[in-house]
Amino acid sequence: DVKVTQSSRYLVKRTGEKVFLECVQDMDHENMFWYRQDPGLGLRLIYFSYDVKMKEKGDIPEGYSVSREKKERFSLILESASTNQTSMYLCASSPNGGTRETQYFGPGTRLLVL
Amino acid sequence: AQKVTQAQTEISVVEKEDVTLDCVYETRDTTYYLFWYKQPPSGELVFLIRRNSFDEQNEISGRYSWNFQKSTSSFNFTITASQVVDSAVYFCALSEVYNQGGKLIFGQGTELSVKP
Repeated sequence: DVKVTQSSRYLVKRTGEKVFLECVQDMDHENMFWYRQDPGLGLRLIYFSYDVKMKEKGDIPEGYSVSREKKERFSLILESASTNQTSMYLCASSPNGGTRETQYFGPGTRLLVL
Repeated sequence: AQKVTQAQTEISVVEKEDVTLDCVYETRDTTYYLFWYKQPPSGELVFLIRRNSFDEQNEISGRYSWNFQKSTSSFNFTITASQVVDSAVYFCALSEVYNQGGKLIFGQGTELSVKP
């Protein structure tokens, strides 16, 4: 079974704090993704990585950065959290077969920025 | 530009009713993949099905069935004899062949509520 885990299910932070969201997958997948989910907007891609130390911007990268130092771990960083970053964050991974490969998701982190 | 539309924001049915969730997509590519995911209240997206653009055969898996029609750019999902456990948000998604890493374009989601 593919297993994608995220470090926290719920997180409360204050405006201006630096926030780290961690994602780990145990299936040796090359690709990893960070999405945010907001009501009425579905899931939107923030960043993705197709290899260690590689990263690509998604549709809404502003205010975020990522780090992939090891194949199994992909971190999302909010350099200075703002209230409009209150959202559900979902991590996903997929093998390196390109577009045909299924993405497998973690349980999500609900982040509240006060 | 690629786009996925799920026009039904919320659907409410009574247990044992059949329900169809609509998905319409836009793409200029001839090769692409379509997906359905289920998101129960726990939050995790659960993969349901993947369909490539060259395979227009309908698929049935237990109470679930999918109708893919390229002529209308639709990939609809039907649950037969719905159950309370089917209550969830359902997402349709598109992946185009030239997307590096297999980026998914999601619809807005349809929240299905099945009442006993």
